[in-house]
Amino acid sequence: GAVVSQHPSRVICKSGTSVKIECRSLDFQATTMFWYRQFPKQSLMLMATSNEGSKATYEQGVEKDKFLINHASLTLSTLTVTSAHPEDSSFYICSAQTSGGADTQYFGPGTRLTVL
Amino acid sequence: GDSVTQMEGPVTLSEEAFLTINCTYTATGYPSLFWYVQYPGEGLQLLLKATKADDKGSNKGFEATYRKETTSFHLEKGSVQVSDSAVYFCALSAGGADGLTFGKGTHLIIQP
Repeated sequence: GAVVSQHPSRVICKSGTSVKIECRSLDFQATTMFWYRQFPKQSLMLMATSNEGSKATYEQGVEKDKFLINHASLTLSTLTVTSAHPEDSSFYICSAQTSGGADTQYFGPGTRLTVL
Repeated sequence: GDSVTQMEGPVTLSEEAFLTINCTYTATGYPSLFWYVQYPGEGLQLLLKATKADDKGSNKGFEATYRKETTSFHLEKGSVQVSDSAVYFCALSAGGADGLTFGKGTHLIIQP
């Protein structure tokens, strides 16, 4: 149980284009989903917290107009990197928290974004 | 703000050796503490957690005790196996629907 999927697993795009990453909770409902970014040999950094049906809450320093987050249902959240540039190349990871909360987050396998 | 510090790797051990990975934290209030493991090519998996002082989390032979007095949550295992080779992340949550604050991760390599 508590499986989270992400799609795509890898994406390569040209500078200036937009990329959408999907995060799905497959066997549970997630009222809250989180988006993290991981640089090589670095820790995961929280980008934003997404609650179903409401606007995402972004961490300080994360541009909300560049990283668009939509949490339209209890099983799906999307992250769109708009007008991507090479410095946006990174590993993006989502996690989902069950409706019961209790802090535990279940993580997706991550999406490797490379912007040329 | 909240922060997590864990020992940097890589940590290389022989099979059946005793493992300790140190983790200390800084947080206001009473956070929940977690260890996550990331096997090669896979996503993060919850290994164990503790939600209050003196709680001990355990799973798959791994243990960690929430020590409020030393603000620590060290990960231990009595006898490691090659299959334990992975990256281990210590993390905390301030509670509720807050995101996690992670340490930098410790790469563990177990040699046969």
